[in-house]
Amino acid sequence: GAVVSQHPSRVICKSGTSVKIECRSLDFQATTMFWYRQFPKQSLMLMATSNEGSKATYEQGVEKDKFLINHASLTLSTLTVTSAHPEDSSFYICSARDRAGGPWVVQYFGPGTRLTVT
Amino acid sequence: GNSVTQMEGPVTLSEEAFLTINCTYTATGYPSLFWYVQYPGEGLQLLLKATKADDKGSNKGFEATYRKETTSFHLEKGSVQVSDSAVYFCALSERRGGSEKLVFGKGTKLTVNP
Repeated sequence: GAVVSQHPSRVICKSGTSVKIECRSLDFQATTMFWYRQFPKQSLMLMATSNEGSKATYEQGVEKDKFLINHASLTLSTLTVTSAHPEDSSFYICSARDRAGGPWVVQYFGPGTRLTVT
Repeated sequence: GNSVTQMEGPVTLSEEAFLTINCTYTATGYPSLFWYVQYPGEGLQLLLKATKADDKGSNKGFEATYRKETTSFHLEKGSVQVSDSAVYFCALSERRGGSEKLVFGKGTKLTVNP
């Protein structure tokens, strides 16, 4: 089946530094990747949608200068949290949509990255 | 906007018990409905889906029926196993700006004891 990986699985960084999270589709090409954020006991909130070779589309209320998204290839998207602060601590999840997928929205999800900002 | 409400967890059952996890939605138009499952340490996986009213999605013994009149998509399984222990997310798809996006419920944690 389609597999999406994320790296790192956990990261701790100091306030003011930047951290990059990678999302890879391992056995399929993904023209579209999605980045979600999940707070404890809350649902997944879509942050942005990235399409290969073009700028990401951010959801309302998400700062694009703070959460930089790059989708440079059909198998890799990165999320960089710039100048991180403790309130950015969260669980970040990516998903990818198979380029060869049919009409239905079937997204394949990564295992998530736990970010802790101290 | 569109939203999904699912029953609060956690839910704890004994093996072979009957499972119901309630899910209701608010949406304009006719969204597709999904159940995703997240096993410990893994990413979300699509469990089943239904794309129009009265459709029944089924997989691995789980079922859910798209009920337009009650705006519900409750997840059921007749006999749960320990291996079903996971977090279950109800979701709907909405079309915005030419692309489809998923709106999730908060998730319900299920623990099945032997």
